[in-house]
Amino acid sequence: AQSVTQPDIHITVSEGASLELRCNYSYGATPYLFWYVQSPGQGLQLLLKYFSGDTLVQGIKGFEAEFKRSQSSFNLRKPSVHWSDAAEYFCAVDRGDGGSQGNLIFGKGTKLSVKP
Amino acid sequence: SAVISQKPSRDICQRGTSLTIQCQVDSQVTMMFWYRQQPGQSLTLIATANQGSEATYESGFVIDKFPISRPNLTFSTLTVSNMSPEDSSIYLCSVEVNYGYTFGSGTRLTVV
Repeated sequence: AQSVTQPDIHITVSEGASLELRCNYSYGATPYLFWYVQSPGQGLQLLLKYFSGDTLVQGIKGFEAEFKRSQSSFNLRKPSVHWSDAAEYFCAVDRGDGGSQGNLIFGKGTKLSVKP
Repeated sequence: SAVISQKPSRDICQRGTSLTIQCQVDSQVTMMFWYRQQPGQSLTLIATANQGSEATYESGFVIDKFPISRPNLTFSTLTVSNMSPEDSSIYLCSVEVNYGYTFGSGTRLTVV
């Protein structure tokens, strides 16, 4: 069965520092992968997605993620974190087998805190 | 991407009562999804709602507890029935449009 693991529950970085949030997936076929951000009291906002092609994906708010099939990873990165990036980040994989089924399996999330 | 209006945004309910959550999309979509996010937890899919057919429920969720309506291609409701404090969660609806999965802003439910 598909699964998503985010090994870091909580990360604290200083403002201006670089960020990498880890995501590992378990999937038999080519996965459809996503990163979402949830600010306190807010819904989920899509940061970026990967379906195929270039393994380095650019998203909104200066985020990028790299798909590495050999490591079953889809880590999220940002070169310089802003205080407004403090939020919870969720990695997700489409539940479909080789195609979209239209619903997602989520990791447990990583809470990001930003120090001034 | 689609825009979803979800309401209510929050509610405090007495145990034993029911709450109906509405989800309106600004475009026609085939499938709509309902998720639950328990406090401090990730999102778990409750059910998939297709227009004109019964909703498909995930393991651990049943229709008697979470009845869903899907009267047309832009609207769905989720009812949380006979609520207990364990139902206190954020409930979110979601749609897929061109592989862009959009979520509503959620309904924060507290059962007392």
